[in-house]
Amino acid sequence: TQLLEQSPQFLSIQEGENLTVYCNSSSVFSSLQWYRQEPGEGPVLLVTVVTGGEVKKLKRLTFQFGDARKDSSLHITAAQPGDTGLYLCAALSGGYQKVTFGTGTKLQVIP
Amino acid sequence: DAGITQSPRHKVTETGTPVTLRCHQTENHRYMYWYRQDPGHGLRLIHYSYGVKDTDKGEVSDGYSVSRSKTEDFLLTLESATSSQTSVYFCAIRSGSRDYGYTFGSGTRLTVV
Repeated sequence: TQLLEQSPQFLSIQEGENLTVYCNSSSVFSSLQWYRQEPGEGPVLLVTVVTGGEVKKLKRLTFQFGDARKDSSLHITAAQPGDTGLYLCAALSGGYQKVTFGTGTKLQVIP
Repeated sequence: DAGITQSPRHKVTETGTPVTLRCHQTENHRYMYWYRQDPGHGLRLIHYSYGVKDTDKGEVSDGYSVSRSKTEDFLLTLESATSSQTSVYFCAIRSGSRDYGYTFGSGTRLTVV
């Protein structure tokens, strides 16, 4: 079982600030996904990255997959209160019927 | 139109009683999963299914069983509930595509007293 470490665990910032959260492992992934979870709901898929060095942008969110496919980052520009939530990375390796989830980064954006 | 629904949303049960949680999908996806989410542990896989009557264990399967008699329904049973099984349970579905992510249900908050 892969171990996925996310950092930081908690982040509280003011509206308008930028932030980056990280997802790291000692193992190589075939692909990696990022999810956002709001209180009382299930996680919702934001993006899938599959190629080493790949960068994907989703409005103010930028996702990067490390060249060696062992790590990933999520950068949010000009954070808004609506970005508040738990951000989870999930790694797929080998057979893709199962994935391993990181423990998450809890983000609070204060108006 | 969520495509995946879980029932019940909340349940309180007594130690030692059996409990069944239901997951229903309308997407006709092959793969279905049960996860539990606990503070400090993230999402942990309990059981999953790759087709009707085809199931396998995840990393925290002890004390749980599953059944899938139809494509659309995946049941999770706690055979004899314990306080350590107090958690939020999520069902998820996934197509067979490599890049296709999970779609999660809204969860069932289970409290074992």
